[in-house]
Amino acid sequence: AQSVAQPEDQVNVAEGNPLTVKCTYSVSGNPYLFWYVQYPNRGLQFLLKYITGDNLVKGSYGFEAEFNKSQTSFHLKKPSALVSDSALYFCAVRVGGGATNKLIFGTGTLLAVQP
Amino acid sequence: DAGVIQSPRHEVTEMGQEVTLRCKPISGHDYLFWYRQTMMRGLELLIYFNNNVPIDDSGMPEDRFSAKMPNASFSTLKIQPSEPRDSAVYFCASSTRDNSPLHFGNGTRLTVT
Repeated sequence: AQSVAQPEDQVNVAEGNPLTVKCTYSVSGNPYLFWYVQYPNRGLQFLLKYITGDNLVKGSYGFEAEFNKSQTSFHLKKPSALVSDSALYFCAVRVGGGATNKLIFGTGTLLAVQP
Repeated sequence: DAGVIQSPRHEVTEMGQEVTLRCKPISGHDYLFWYRQTMMRGLELLIYFNNNVPIDDSGMPEDRFSAKMPNASFSTLKIQPSEPRDSAVYFCASSTRDNSPLHFGNGTRLTVT
C-alpha cells in the first residue's frame, strides 16, 4: 500500500536554529510528494512539492525539502527557524494511477519553535 | 479569489439528527475533496470528485455518509443520522489539474452530543 510516515509527533527547535521535519514514503512507481502546513483553526496550506527533477525543492516561507530516493525520504528543512513557523506539518503522497489528484497525508508533526 | 468557502464553521447537533456541510470550491477548479480530521485518525480522505463526478468514495465511513456535487460551484456532505463518533473537523479542498496543490477551506467543526 502507498503511504507516508512521519516518525516524530513533535519537533522542538530554538529560534534561529535549523529545523528538519522527517517524512518517509512507500509507493509503487514514481513518487509525487508534498508538504503542507496547518495553523490553529485553519485549513492546510501548500508549502512545496516534488514531482520530478532536482532533488532539492524550494517552497514557501523559506522552506525546502530534499528528495532521497535511496532512503525513500522527503524531509522538510529550513536553515533558520522562526517562532511564527510553529504549526502542524503534514507530508503527503499522491496515490493511484492515471488522472488523479488524490493525496494521502501522514499523521502530522507539530513544530514548536522557542524564542 | 475568496478561496474555498465552507459553511457552517461550527455545528453542534444531537445524536440522530441530520447534518449537512457545505462547500464552495475555487472557481475553475476541477477536483473537489472532502477530508475529515480527528486526533485519533488524523486526516482521512472521505471522497473526491472530478468535474462534478464522484471518483473515489472508498473513504466514506458508512451508509450514513453521502456527498453530492450538483454543479461545479457547490458540494455537500451529509450525515444522517449523526452519531457522537462523527465529531471531527471536516475539510473541503479543491484543485485544478493533476499534481496541483490542494486549496483547503477553514473547515467545519462538527460536535455531535
